[in-house]
Amino acid sequence: GAVVSQHPSRVICKSGTSVKIECRSLDFQATTMFWYRQFPKQSLMLMATSNEGSKATYEQGVEKDKFLINHASLTLSTLTVTSAHPEDSSFYICSASVRGEKLFFGSGTQLSVL
Amino acid sequence: AQKITQTQPGMFVQEKEAVTLDCTYDTSDPSYGLFWYKQPSSGEMIFLIYQGSYDQQNATEGRYSLNFQKARKSANLVISASQLGDSAMYFCAMREDYPNSGGYQKVTFGTGTKLQVIP
Repeated sequence: GAVVSQHPSRVICKSGTSVKIECRSLDFQATTMFWYRQFPKQSLMLMATSNEGSKATYEQGVEKDKFLINHASLTLSTLTVTSAHPEDSSFYICSASVRGEKLFFGSGTQLSVL
Repeated sequence: AQKITQTQPGMFVQEKEAVTLDCTYDTSDPSYGLFWYKQPSSGEMIFLIYQGSYDQQNATEGRYSLNFQKARKSANLVISASQLGDSAMYFCAMREDYPNSGGYQKVTFGTGTKLQVIP
C-alpha cells in the first residue's frame, strides 16, 4: 500500500517554542492532506484539510494562527504548532488522500510541551 | 448531530468467530465514501476497507467485509475468523465531497469501538 511518512514521531519542547511536523507521501501524489489531533482513548479530531497550492481549510474551533499548515507540493504538507503550550500536548496524525478513495496515515507525532 | 456514530464502545469476540462492528452515518451529500480503520496500541492507523456511495457491491478485503445499507445509512464492518491480532480500536470514517468548493473534501471519524479477541 501507499506510504505516508510523518516526522518526528515524538517531540518534547518548552512552552513558547514552535514545532514543525512534516508529512510526506513517498510513493504517490496526494492532492489532499488532512491533519488530525487525537487525545488519549478518544477519536481523531479533524483539524484542517489542505489541498496542494491553496490555503488550508480549518475546522471550527481550530486556530489557524496557532496551527499553521503548508501544503507546498503534492508530496509534502507541514503543520507548525506556534508558541506551543502544555494544552497543545497531543497526538497529531496526518493523512493523504489518493483520488479520495483511500486515505493513508502517517505514523503520528506525540507532542509533549513542558 | 454526529456525522458518524459507533454505538459500541467495546466488544468481545471469541477467537475464530465472526464479529460485526456497527457504524451509522449522516450526510445529505450524494457523493461520499466510507472507511474502516484499525488502530492498535502503537497508534498507527491501518486502512482496512473502503466503500463508495455509488458502489453497487459490498466491499470485501480478505477477512473484512463492509455491510453497506445505503437506505439505512449504515456501514457495518464484519470481521470473519477473528484472530488475537485483531484486538485494537476500530474507527469508522466518512469522506464528504464538496464539488462546488474547489474539490474540498472532509473526512470525519466515529468515536471508535475497542475490540478484544478472547483466546
